[in-house]
Amino acid sequence: DGGITQSPKYLFRKEGQNVTLSCEQNLNHDAMYWYRQDPGQGLRLIYYSQIVNDFQKGDIAEGYSVSREKKESFPLTVTSAQKNPTAFYLCASRRHSQGIQPQHFGDGTRLSIL
Amino acid sequence: DQQVKQNSPSLSVQEGRISILNCDYTNSMFDYFLWYKKYPAEGPTFLISISSIKDKNEDGRFTVFLNKSAKHLSLHIVPSQPGDSAVYFCAASDQGGSEKLVFGKGTKLTVNP
Repeated sequence: DGGITQSPKYLFRKEGQNVTLSCEQNLNHDAMYWYRQDPGQGLRLIYYSQIVNDFQKGDIAEGYSVSREKKESFPLTVTSAQKNPTAFYLCASRRHSQGIQPQHFGDGTRLSIL
Repeated sequence: DQQVKQNSPSLSVQEGRISILNCDYTNSMFDYFLWYKKYPAEGPTFLISISSIKDKNEDGRFTVFLNKSAKHLSLHIVPSQPGDSAVYFCAASDQGGSEKLVFGKGTKLTVNP
């Protein structure tokens, strides 16, 4: 089945450690996105990429980094510079087309600080 | 500054009745609006969308209405079913720009049997 796979589902990090969240899609979508959700909040955009080898900062990019070396993969690294990393992280993808296309989401990774 | 607002954190309705979820936006450049449904510990699922050239879009039990002059949209679910109980997010984007989505904070819908 086509879809967006995020792994792992739960992740724990010690203070001062970097951690990388995986996002893979087999939908042949061009654009990919990373969001963060905090309790009682909407989704906030961290980074997005519309084509391979190119990405842009979203609204809350500080303390995060990404890469887009392959069309199907868009990993997110939460660095030690991110002061409040505990959150639910969601990856999405979207097909570019003539018509308007919605973003489709993976099932998320919950990151917690030990 | 919130560009997309869902002012009701929660809504409770009886099974079979209509559920109406509301959303307001401030950015007049938004021209594409979406509703997503989300269960706990899962990713949001796309429900329905509407372009600013329309004022209504219908898909089965779900209808979205757009009032551009009031910068307001609503999602109607008729009839409501217990399986509709979830958090509903409104989102908007400027398709002529970066195509980024801006989300509201969500409304938790509970449909009681």
